Amino acid sequence: EDQVTQSPEALRLQEGESSSLNCSYTVSGLRGLFWYRQDPGKGPEFLFTLYSAGEEKEKERLKATLTKKESFLHITAPKPEDSATYLCRDYKLSFGAGTTVTVRA
Amino acid sequence: SQTIHQWPATLVQPVGSPLSLECTVEGTSNPNLYWYRQAAGRGLQLLFYSVGIGQISSEVPQNLSASRPQDRQFILSSKKLLLSDSGFYLCAWGTGKNEQYFGPGTRLTVT
Repeated sequence: EDQVTQSPEALRLQEGESSSLNCSYTVSGLRGLFWYRQDPGKGPEFLFTLYSAGEEKEKERLKATLTKKESFLHITAPKPEDSATYLCRDYKLSFGAGTTVTVRA
Repeated sequence: SQTIHQWPATLVQPVGSPLSLECTVEGTSNPNLYWYRQAAGRGLQLLFYSVGIGQISSEVPQNLSASRPQDRQFILSSKKLLLSDSGFYLCAWGTGKNEQYFGPGTRLTVT
């Protein structure tokens, strides 16, 4: 069974302290790796799609990268408003459990 | 632009009672539609998906069912709720690029 695994489960950052989240996947023949942001009590918000190893996408302080077996979401100089749970998903609709990021002012 | 609606936002139901959750999409035609459940502190579990009217695929065996009576309407139902059906139910619509866009969700508590 294909799996998507995210680490760490939780990440506490000081404002301005950059860090990275990991998403590893087992599905072969990847046809898309998707990142979402979810705020408490709300539906996930689509962030990025990555299709091939080496691809990068950026949005404000977030940058997503993709290798053959994992993806990283880099948060550069985070602000408190970046606090959320970040989810990744493979093209077969399997989601990881998410990484909950808390940014303290 | 496309929008997706879900209702109700919250629901408290007793064990054994029926369930009907509705999802509608505006601004797109013939979307792929999905129902997910999210248990507390866990990832999203795909329950059903539909590629067209009357076409429903079930991903997990359970006492839930789904229907798509119209192109942009997706309904999640149960005849008798179980305690384990509690969770956050999310509807999503999808594009040909396999991207998904989620609704605001329904928080269901079965008591």
